[in-house]
Amino acid sequence: GEDVEQSLFLSVREGDSSVINCTYTDSSSTYLYWYKQEPGAGLQLLTYIFSNMDMKQDQRLTVLLNKKDKHLSLRIADTQTGDSAIYFCADGSSNTGKLIFGQGTTLQVKP
Amino acid sequence: DAMVIQNPRYQVTQFGKPVTLSCSQTLNHNVMYWYQQKSSQAPKLLFHYYDKDFNNEADTPDNFQSRRPNTSFCFLDIRSPGLGDAAMYLCATSREPGQLNTEAFFGQGTRLTVV
Repeated sequence: GEDVEQSLFLSVREGDSSVINCTYTDSSSTYLYWYKQEPGAGLQLLTYIFSNMDMKQDQRLTVLLNKKDKHLSLRIADTQTGDSAIYFCADGSSNTGKLIFGQGTTLQVKP
Repeated sequence: DAMVIQNPRYQVTQFGKPVTLSCSQTLNHNVMYWYQQKSSQAPKLLFHYYDKDFNNEADTPDNFQSRRPNTSFCFLDIRSPGLGDAAMYLCATSREPGQLNTEAFFGQGTRLTVV
């Protein structure tokens, strides 16, 4: 079945760039998503990328997709303490809209 | 304004006592989903409704049921909660599954504690 993998933890200093990586197995993926989850809260959609794109930029966020290697990354420029959260990569290729989530990367931003 | 609203935010229930979690949406979306997220784990889909059609995931226990009386509301019923059912339950909606610009919108979640 489909699987999505992420590294579990990333620590950066305020003002640096953060890069969170994700790999997936489904070769028919059409949409890949990044969600942010703050402690005790639901999931906030940050951005998504369609599989025929290799890059998408939205303000401080840059998503890179390497479809050949099935690798997705999220770059956050000028990382702030408010960016501290868990970031989930999700594969949304199913016709049902079902999302397969990675286990989440905890981003710690140090002042 | 909140578009997917889950009530309550926190629910404590007794072992074996039926409990219902609710979700409402103001987006008029066709699809409503229930995900279970255990501590430090990825959210996992339990089931979803596409309009009135109920779609259960193969590995969702029978203890979990759902109702969707109208477009706006969807309920998650846990018939006999066990300690292992303690988790955050996330409701999500989308306009159409698998189509462009039909990303899922999530509610804030209900954290269920079983005592």
